[in-house]
Amino acid sequence: DAKTTQPPSMDCAEGRAANLPCNHSTISGNEYVYWYRQIHSQGPQYIIHGLKNNETNEMASLIITEDRKSSTLILPHATLRDTAVYYCIVRVARVGDMRFGAGTRLTVKP
Amino acid sequence: DGGITQSPKYLFRKEGQNVTLSCEQNLNHDAMYWYRQDPGQGLRLIYYSQIVNDFQKGDIAEGYSVSREKKESFPLTVTSAQKNPTAFYLCASSQVENTEAFFGQGTRLTVV
Repeated sequence: DAKTTQPPSMDCAEGRAANLPCNHSTISGNEYVYWYRQIHSQGPQYIIHGLKNNETNEMASLIITEDRKSSTLILPHATLRDTAVYYCIVRVARVGDMRFGAGTRLTVKP
Repeated sequence: DGGITQSPKYLFRKEGQNVTLSCEQNLNHDAMYWYRQDPGQGLRLIYYSQIVNDFQKGDIAEGYSVSREKKESFPLTVTSAQKNPTAFYLCASSQVENTEAFFGQGTRLTVV
């Protein structure tokens, strides 16, 4: 599986957009990009995923570059409750393993 | 309600004892996973299973064992061979097809 690289930490002002980058330069054509977040001492929560097109749901937007070597998760209006560790992973469809990296610790400040 | 349940939330054991962590899901998911998380670290894959009676080792399987006798259950045994078992353990499930995974709330194991 391709590995991902994320910055260890980021800050964001409340009400502003949070843009979390992820590098996955060795991604294969059949690997999807997934984002999860983990609020302290809880199980991770799914946010969004995509293959090559940009995706949007009620929580966030996912922007994948045309070469698919990197992506950005966008939280359009960050709130204090968005403070969490955000994980970017790549996963092959129809294959069971799912590996996480260290993630990005996002702190939303008032 | 459908979901994935881990029990107990907190578990204490003496060193040298085996301990089994429970993970049950009623989502009819084929795939199930076990992860270990140490303080300030990410999730590390211990074992995963894509189908009943079959499972594969993850990155840190040594000192752990699993079984998958039923689709809804994937218990993890932490054996005495695991050198540093104190950690937060997370279970997850998903369809094998490309869909989101659901996580339990975790079991915090402390070995003294």
